[in-house]
Amino acid sequence: DVVMTQSPLSLPVTLGQPASISCRSSQSLVHSDGNTYLNWFQQRPGQSPRRLIYKVSNRDSGVPDRFSGSGSGTDFTLKISRVEAEDVGVYYCMQGTHWPLLTFGGGTKVEIK
Amino acid sequence: QVQLQESGPGLVKPSETLSLTCTVSGYSISIGYYWGWVRQPPGKGLEWIGSIYHSGTTHYNPSLKSRVTMSVDTSKDQFSLILNSVTAADTAVYYCAREDYGSGMDGWGKGTTVTVSS
Repeated sequence: DVVMTQSPLSLPVTLGQPASISCRSSQSLVHSDGNTYLNWFQQRPGQSPRRLIYKVSNRDSGVPDRFSGSGSGTDFTLKISRVEAEDVGVYYCMQGTHWPLLTFGGGTKVEIK
Repeated sequence: QVQLQESGPGLVKPSETLSLTCTVSGYSISIGYYWGWVRQPPGKGLEWIGSIYHSGTTHYNPSLKSRVTMSVDTSKDQFSLILNSVTAADTAVYYCAREDYGSGMDGWGKGTTVTVSS
């Protein structure tokens, strides 16, 4: 099974400052079709998760451009260029390369200092 | 825009069966995509349970496979989850979602809390 490991577990950030979350997979996420199915989700307090980024770096409709995804192989990063109050919540990476078995990372909690 | 709504009992006794239904609006299940379930125990992370295609093809998380059954009713744009022999460890918020194959879930329900307790 593919294990997804996120760090840090908790990320206190000052408003307006950048934030970075790491996600590592136990196996390469490069699919035989050439795509890398690494996705990021945001879960604000009391809400359902919401997909932010799919296939490493593609932002979903309505997602602010301060969110960006990067990486390759087994190492991936979600960056927030300037954290805003509405960004508070838990962020999860999820691999889909080994679909139909989908696995999430353990989550990173972003909070304001 | 697709909308999903979970429904079902909020309380299930240990060893009994959890049964949930997801009703989809704004999109016909028969068109495509897989339709799945994700759960989140209190204070913990997300766990993929499984998914189903409109043809009835299913895929389950191996950790739950022996206890899970999913079904679909395309005439009602609904799909369902059955989890047998529940224990307290199955207490969680259960979400239904539309699966965009390897790109993950691009639409989620609000979630429904299921507590396993006598």
